[in-house]
Amino acid sequence: GAGVSQSPRYKVAKRGQDVALRCDPISGHVSLFWYQQALGQGPEFLTYFQNEAQLDKSGLPSDRFFAERPEGSVSTLKIQRTQQEDSAVYLCASSLGGAEKLFFGSGTQLSVL
Amino acid sequence: EDQVTQSPEALRLQEGESSSLNCSYTVSGLRGLFWYRQDPGKGPEFLFTLYSAGEEKEKERLKATLTKKESFLHITAPKPEDSATYLCAVRLRGGSQGNLIFGKGTKLSVKP
Repeated sequence: GAGVSQSPRYKVAKRGQDVALRCDPISGHVSLFWYQQALGQGPEFLTYFQNEAQLDKSGLPSDRFFAERPEGSVSTLKIQRTQQEDSAVYLCASSLGGAEKLFFGSGTQLSVL
Repeated sequence: EDQVTQSPEALRLQEGESSSLNCSYTVSGLRGLFWYRQDPGKGPEFLFTLYSAGEEKEKERLKATLTKKESFLHITAPKPEDSATYLCAVRLRGGSQGNLIFGKGTKLSVKP
């Protein structure tokens, strides 16, 4: 595709539910990033992949958050037992390498009720 | 603690009224400073990368500059379509390749 695609665009979950957010990066981009953006804040780093290898997961807020990119292309961010504080926009970005120039998707807006 | 602070939080300009946005940073070592533009409901869109003090980059009505402690995004004769939130981010020397530290952004409104 022409850009980074994220689905779903909106997700409403009941507290305690598990959710899975999908990211389709730009074809050929080896690096993939997940960021979390709360309302009125800048994006905050969650995790980073180079191909299928997860090189940095230091930003994942708890062990309820898990990300994977098994074939080095599509990535899934999974949140188990969602809490209200997980409500945010989850942004995926990809690049040819590193964080020099990131291409972001439009995000998934997660609301936990 | 590594920190990025943007000011002002919001800025209202009349069309054609030039101004500057500020991004100050307190970091252990800077590897690069980035400017992004974010429209409502969209992800950030890359504008510029700056690496060293004294460096400048330009694109249409925007010019980004960098000193040892801060960066400015100058907007010359803005148009309503320049209305957006402008985000500044830094990448730390010795830090993870993927970990950018973003500021909270400056929300710019340009009225016709």
